[in-house]
Amino acid sequence: ETVLTQSPATLSLSPGERAMFSCRASQDINNYLAWYQQKPGQAPRLLIYDVSNRAAGIPPRFGGSGSGTDFTLTISSLEPEDFAVYYCQQRGSWPLTFGHGTRLEIK
Amino acid sequence: QVLLQESGPGLVKPSQTLSLTCTVSGVSINSGLYYWTWVRHVPGTGLEWIGYIFYSGNSRLNPSLRSRVSMSMAKSQSHFSLRLTSVTAADTAVYFCAGGLVVTPGYYLHYWGQGALVTVSS
Repeated sequence: ETVLTQSPATLSLSPGERAMFSCRASQDINNYLAWYQQKPGQAPRLLIYDVSNRAAGIPPRFGGSGSGTDFTLTISSLEPEDFAVYYCQQRGSWPLTFGHGTRLEIK
Repeated sequence: QVLLQESGPGLVKPSQTLSLTCTVSGVSINSGLYYWTWVRHVPGTGLEWIGYIFYSGNSRLNPSLRSRVSMSMAKSQSHFSLRLTSVTAADTAVYFCAGGLVVTPGYYLHYWGQGALVTVSS
C-alpha cells in the first residue's frame, strides 16, 4: 500500500498570504496524485488531478506541482473561503490511498 | 449535474451489519463512465477508500476490509449499496458514496454524496 504523508498537520495563515501543502508518497506514484478540499460538514471536492491539472470550476489561485514521490499544492493568495482541510490522494497503485490531511486555519 | 445521496441507519450495534445505499441522479449508473465508490472518514484519521463497484457488477475492495465488505447495484433503481459485516466501534465513521471517472490506473473521485454518519454502539 502506498502511504501518503502530508505536512504540516496544521497551517495558520492570513487571507492574502500564500499557502503551501506537502504530500510525500512512500513509493513512486508516476504523477498520479490529486488534491481535495473539505470543509466542515461537507464532502471533499476535487481541486487538482494528475499533479497539476485543475478540476472544472477551480480558480487559478490553486496550483499543483511535484513529481515522483514529492508533491505540493499551492494557493497563491488565500481567500476567506479557502480555510478548510486539504487531502492528497494517489491512483498509482491499489488500494487507492489518501493522506491524513492538512488543516488550514485563519491566523 | 451528477448528484449522490447516501441513506441508511445512523446507528448499528456491535457485531451487526452496516448497510448503506447511494442513490445516483444526473447520470446513468449503467453508463460505464464511473466507478461507484464508498469512502469513509473515521474521526481523527484521514479518508479511507473502501472500494468500488462497476456497472458490469465487478468490484474492487480495499484489502483491509475485503473480508467484511460487499457491494451491489440496483441498476433499475439507480442505486448501489454497501454492506459491512461484524462491525465494531472502529467502524464508526462518516461514509461517503462517490463517483470516479474511469481511467487507468486507479481513479479520482469527481462526485460525492454529502456523507452519512454511522455510529457503532450498543
